[in-house]
Amino acid sequence: DQQVKQNSPSLSVQEGRISILNCDYTNSMFDYFLWYKKYPAEGPTFLISISSIKDKNEDGRFTVFLNKSAKHLSLHIVPSQPGDSAVYFCAATLETSGSRLTFGEGTQLTVNP
Amino acid sequence: GAVVSQHPSWVICKSGTSVKIECRSLDFQATTMFWYRQFPKQSLMLMATSNEGSKATYEQGVEKDKFLINHASLTLSTLTVTSAHPEDSSFYICSASSKAIGYTFGSGTRLTVV
Repeated sequence: DQQVKQNSPSLSVQEGRISILNCDYTNSMFDYFLWYKKYPAEGPTFLISISSIKDKNEDGRFTVFLNKSAKHLSLHIVPSQPGDSAVYFCAATLETSGSRLTFGEGTQLTVNP
Repeated sequence: GAVVSQHPSWVICKSGTSVKIECRSLDFQATTMFWYRQFPKQSLMLMATSNEGSKATYEQGVEKDKFLINHASLTLSTLTVTSAHPEDSSFYICSASSKAIGYTFGSGTRLTVV
């Protein structure tokens, strides 16, 4: 049972444009969501997170939107840069300390110069 | 910022031997450590969760006698792959968690069993 799904395995955008990565979840108990960036043969790097009490969180070029009723979240990157090319994972958890993260399958983002 | 050191970053071993992977939180105490496994082009799959001083909790389908986890202190957890076989070849990643820091990942270990 895949509780966190990223339906797009890949996304290609032009430098300077907006990248939108999507994520859906099924478990309504999840109340904390995170986005990670990962390069091959490296551990994930934390990008941005959002608590279920919010519907938007912004940090520089990265904005995460949460639609609880649709159980959907998205990561917007604007403007996209070639250095953003990586695999992006969304993850969901309970905000309780020590709770496990459940990851989506990941989306390979390619930003073309 | 919080740093988790994981080593080795890569290891090649012969089939039937055991391999130990270490995960250390360098500047914070991790109440919980998680071990993940990632196959190429797939998601990170949680293998087990460990809390300092107690036995690890393994996910369904993960053999606890094959993947030995020791969480000896608040800053160190080890994963030992015992009697490794080629199908154990994968990318293993640890993550340390604390209430103050959240989740921090190690850099991963590429295990190749030949």
